[in-house]
Amino acid sequence: AQTVTQSQPEMSVQEAETVTLSCTYDTSESDYYLFWYKQPPSRQMILVIRQEAYKQQNATENRFSVNFQKAAKSFSLKISDSQLGDAAMYFCAYRIWDSNYQLIWGAGTKLIIKP
Amino acid sequence: GAVVSQHPSWVICKSGTSVKIECRSLDFQATTMFWYRQFPKQSLMLMATSNEGSKATYEQGVEKDKFLINHASLTLSTLTVTSAHPEDSSFYICSAPGLGAEAFFGQGTRLTVV
Repeated sequence: AQTVTQSQPEMSVQEAETVTLSCTYDTSESDYYLFWYKQPPSRQMILVIRQEAYKQQNATENRFSVNFQKAAKSFSLKISDSQLGDAAMYFCAYRIWDSNYQLIWGAGTKLIIKP
Repeated sequence: GAVVSQHPSWVICKSGTSVKIECRSLDFQATTMFWYRQFPKQSLMLMATSNEGSKATYEQGVEKDKFLINHASLTLSTLTVTSAHPEDSSFYICSAPGLGAEAFFGQGTRLTVV
């Protein structure tokens, strides 16, 4: 069975600095999607970034980028120039390529931004 | 992008009563809807998967008779918490897959049973 592990329950970073959130996963599949979702205090889930496993290039969305290491089954999220609005719970999620879109979720990392 | 509208956003009910939560896909057809429960400071826990026109598939440990799921149309899925008790108080989220790889989430429902 697929599993997703986020080993950092909480992280803090100074505003404008860079922070990296860790995520590892376990699967025997070769094709899949990986996601980072943000859940701010409003609790609305927001997609931050996604990565297709067949792509070697790391995904980037403005200040957010990932370090995808397929062999190591690692998928970390780097947030550059941290802003107060980045404060939220961040969840790493895995989706099998040909499934009915069911996601396997990590436990989440609470990100605190220090002004 | 695609929108999933979830209502109500919060509800308080008396113990023993039933509460219905609705999730509508506003600009796309959702043949599948996932229902999650989220405890404070925890991750999303999948409760069940509903498919339009068929019975929902429940995860192990989720009481089918307590959490009734109906997915009668391609744009509406409902979760009814029957005979609610204080331990059912939680945050409930629905999610539907889009045409691409990502999922679309409702705003969530905070249920408090008193």
